[in-house]
Amino acid sequence: EDKVVQSPLSLVVHEGDTVTLNCSYEVTNFRSLLWYKQEKKAPTFLFMLTSSGIEKKSGRLSSILDKKELSSILNITATQTGDSAIYLCAGTTGGATNKLIFGTGTLLAVQP
Amino acid sequence: ETGVTQSPTHLIKTRGQQVTLRCSSQSGHNTVSWYQQALGQGPQFIFQYYREEENGRGNFPPRFSGLQFPNYSSELNVNALELDDSALYLCASSFWGPPGELFFGEGSRLTVL
Repeated sequence: EDKVVQSPLSLVVHEGDTVTLNCSYEVTNFRSLLWYKQEKKAPTFLFMLTSSGIEKKSGRLSSILDKKELSSILNITATQTGDSAIYLCAGTTGGATNKLIFGTGTLLAVQP
Repeated sequence: ETGVTQSPTHLIKTRGQQVTLRCSSQSGHNTVSWYQQALGQGPQFIFQYYREEENGRGNFPPRFSGLQFPNYSSELNVNALELDDSALYLCASSFWGPPGELFFGEGSRLTVL
């Protein structure tokens, strides 16, 4: 059965700290890994990592895909209170269906 | 560019009732997917629609059904509601093609009493 596991489940940091969120996956015919940020309801897209693009960066956020270890990390540097959210990791499989297999998410709280 | 919109935003039903949730896809997108997100969990894939036909289904019983219309909007219908159906139902739209970024709506929060 396809599975995505995230850790930690939650963490609390102070503004300015650097955090690393972890994601491991066991997905049949794995194609890509996506990171989303969910603040209230709608998850918003952060990154997509594939075999042809295993490292992405946008401002203070960056992500790396380790295909050998079947894992990914999301780094956030110089955290701000606006980074407080649930961070979701999802794997996709081969085939025609654009189905995302999500982990349970990491709840990040950034305190002033 | 119009984003993904869902209605209603909140609703309360009682066990055994039926519910219909609606979704308008982002302009230009031709594929719609539905996800169920229970409290404290990640979204779970229900099914995907393309060209008005179901194309891929997750581990959900037949009482979860859907439709896609010629304008690519979609409905999710759930019959014989159970308490465990209480969740946030997310609609996502995309282009047909290799798995990639999905654009999510704000969701419909369903409470079953």
